[in-house]
Amino acid sequence: KAGVTQTPRYLIKTRGQQVTLSCSPISGHRSVSWYQQTPGQGLQFLFEYFSETQRNKGNFPGRFSGRQFSNSRSEMNVSTLELGDSALYLCASSLATGEAYEQYFGPGTRLTVT
Amino acid sequence: GEDVEQSLFLSVREGDSSVINCTYTDSSSTYLYWYKQEPGAGLQLLTYIFSNMDMKQDQRLTVLLNKKDKHLSLRIADTQTGDSAIYFCAERRYSSASKIIFGSGTRLSIRP
Repeated sequence: KAGVTQTPRYLIKTRGQQVTLSCSPISGHRSVSWYQQTPGQGLQFLFEYFSETQRNKGNFPGRFSGRQFSNSRSEMNVSTLELGDSALYLCASSLATGEAYEQYFGPGTRLTVT
Repeated sequence: GEDVEQSLFLSVREGDSSVINCTYTDSSSTYLYWYKQEPGAGLQLLTYIFSNMDMKQDQRLTVLLNKKDKHLSLRIADTQTGDSAIYFCAERRYSSASKIIFGSGTRLSIRP
C-alpha cells in the first residue's frame, strides 16, 4: 500500500506570495492532519480534516488554511507569505479521527520564503 | 502546560543500548508515541503505548511508561548506525484527540 505523498517536495517563494501544498493520504484513510516543523518551534499542529470538515485547529494565524476533498486528498494554503513561514510542512493521515488511530506521516514539503 | 520535554542529544557506542527519555505534563494523555526522523525525511512511527500500560516491547525497542512521574522512555537494544536519527516523543490527549503534541526531539548519534 502506498504511503502518504506530498507535493511538491521543495518550494521557494518570495514574501507576500501565496502557496498551496498538497497531501494524498494512504488509501482508505479519511483523516488528514498538517504540521509545521521549524528549528525554533519544533513540530506544531496546524489543523485536521476528516470527511471534508475541519475538526481541530492549532494556534496559527488565518493566513493558514486548508481543505479536504471527497477523495480525502487535502491541500493547505498559506497566503501573504512571511520569512518565518519557511519550514517543513508535514501531512499525516489516519483511518479516522480520534486518538485511537495512528497517524502516518508523509515526507514533507520544504518551503523556503525569501 | 503543553510541554513534552526531551534531552537534545545522545551519543552511544555501536552495539550498546540507547535510552531516550521524555517527560510530559498532561495526565490525561491517552497515547504516547515514539517517532523517528532521518535527515530530509518525514516522521516514521516506531511504536506507541496506551496510557494504561507500563511497558511495551517490539523487537529491539522497549517502551517504559511511568504514569506517576509522567516519564516515558525508549530503549533501543544493540544500537546500529542505521539508528542515527532524531527521535520524537509525542502525546495525544483525550481532550484534543486529533492533535499530537511533540517533544523537541533527541538527536541520537552512534560512535564506532
